[in-house]
Amino acid sequence: KAGVTQTPRYLIKTRGQQVTLSCSPISGHRSVSWYQQTPGQGLQFLFEYFSETQRNKGNFPGRFSGRQFSNSRSEMNVSTLELGDSALYLCASSTGQGAYEQYFGPGTRLTVT
Amino acid sequence: DQQVKQNSPSLSVQEGRISILNCDYTNSMFDYFLWYKKYPAEGPTFLISISSIKDKNEDGRFTVFLNKSAKHLSLHIVPSQPGDSAVYFCAAEDSGTYKYIFGTGTRLKVLA
Repeated sequence: KAGVTQTPRYLIKTRGQQVTLSCSPISGHRSVSWYQQTPGQGLQFLFEYFSETQRNKGNFPGRFSGRQFSNSRSEMNVSTLELGDSALYLCASSTGQGAYEQYFGPGTRLTVT
Repeated sequence: DQQVKQNSPSLSVQEGRISILNCDYTNSMFDYFLWYKKYPAEGPTFLISISSIKDKNEDGRFTVFLNKSAKHLSLHIVPSQPGDSAVYFCAAEDSGTYKYIFGTGTRLKVLA
């Protein structure tokens, strides 16, 4: 079974630009969650999509948005990039039902200059 | 408000000895707990989990203990090996809302 894939793996953007990251979950998984990882802050939860609906949301500003398509693939968009948005963005897929473990992709390293 | 806390940012242990990583949580609605391991430049990988109806779960060298009254869980690695050197995250899930929260991680270094 193929794992979680994320594209692109690396990205360099300048302040004020916007960016879209993509995540393809494991086949059959209906839940996709997005996390931001920065040094010392662990994995900060952005949002979770389940069957094309946002089911849970973290405490990030509205510049961070996402969506999920009918094939469970998900995209995350960050508008008006700030230097502080530089981070590793991880997506995780799961069945999303009951008690479950998440399976992570390798992440997208975003650098904002 | 950090609902899942790992108060030790780093830990060093000699090879062959026991590694104990700790995690505290505040939300009594969490009922499923997990540990993940992360190497640099990779996504976290699932290690072991425990349901709130249990107080211990074992898988090879890894054992997770849950103390619900203290809202505390720990991961024991025995014996520790150099390949265990990584960042370990604990996570908690509220299976009613499917809310899933991670701690800030503990960097484990196993010294040969």
